[in-house]
Amino acid sequence: DAKTTQPTSMDCAEGRAANLPCNHSTISGNEYVYWYRQIHSQGPQYIIHGLKNNETNEMASLIITEDRKSSTLILPHATLRDTAVYYCIVRVPYLGSSNTGKLIFGQGTTLQVKP
Amino acid sequence: DSGVTQTPKHLITATGQRVTLRCSPRSGDLSVYWYQQSLDQGLQFLIQYYNGEERAKGNILERFSAQQFPDLHSELNLSSLELGDSALYFCASSVGGRSLSGNTIYFGEGSWLTVV
Repeated sequence: DAKTTQPTSMDCAEGRAANLPCNHSTISGNEYVYWYRQIHSQGPQYIIHGLKNNETNEMASLIITEDRKSSTLILPHATLRDTAVYYCIVRVPYLGSSNTGKLIFGQGTTLQVKP
Repeated sequence: DSGVTQTPKHLITATGQRVTLRCSPRSGDLSVYWYQQSLDQGLQFLIQYYNGEERAKGNILERFSAQQFPDLHSELNLSSLELGDSALYFCASSVGGRSLSGNTIYFGEGSWLTVV
């Protein structure tokens, strides 16, 4: 599994957009970028994933660079409830002879949303 | 609500004892994953099952074992418990298989284990 690099922590003002960067320079062609977050000792929550196109859902937007070596998770209007640890993970999502689809978590980015 | 159910939510037990944590995956999910999160550690992958068979093993101690039953629920057995086993244990599930669609992994709310 490719590794990712994320800043240890970030702050964001409530109501502003939170942009969380992730580097995955060794990503393989069949690996997707997944984002999860964990709000204080709750179960990790799935946010969004993508392969090479930008993606948007009700929670966030995911911008993947053309070379796929980095991505940015955007929370358009951060609220205090978005304070959490955000994990960027690259993963081959299906079972195969050489992959199992499991998630390997790094240290993530602690996002603090401030009033 | 992710649809993944874990029981018990909290458990306190003594060193040397054995406990069983139970996980019911989302309806239709064939893959089950177990993770451990200690206070000073990140989320550590323990083991994965797919349709009843072990599929991947991570940093799981020999004192720990797991299985997935025909009805697809899974149990994580922790024996000869030590103080350092105190942690949050998460179960997660996904459809699994070779299809790309629906293979997002969803997590339960965890079982808090305290060993005293």
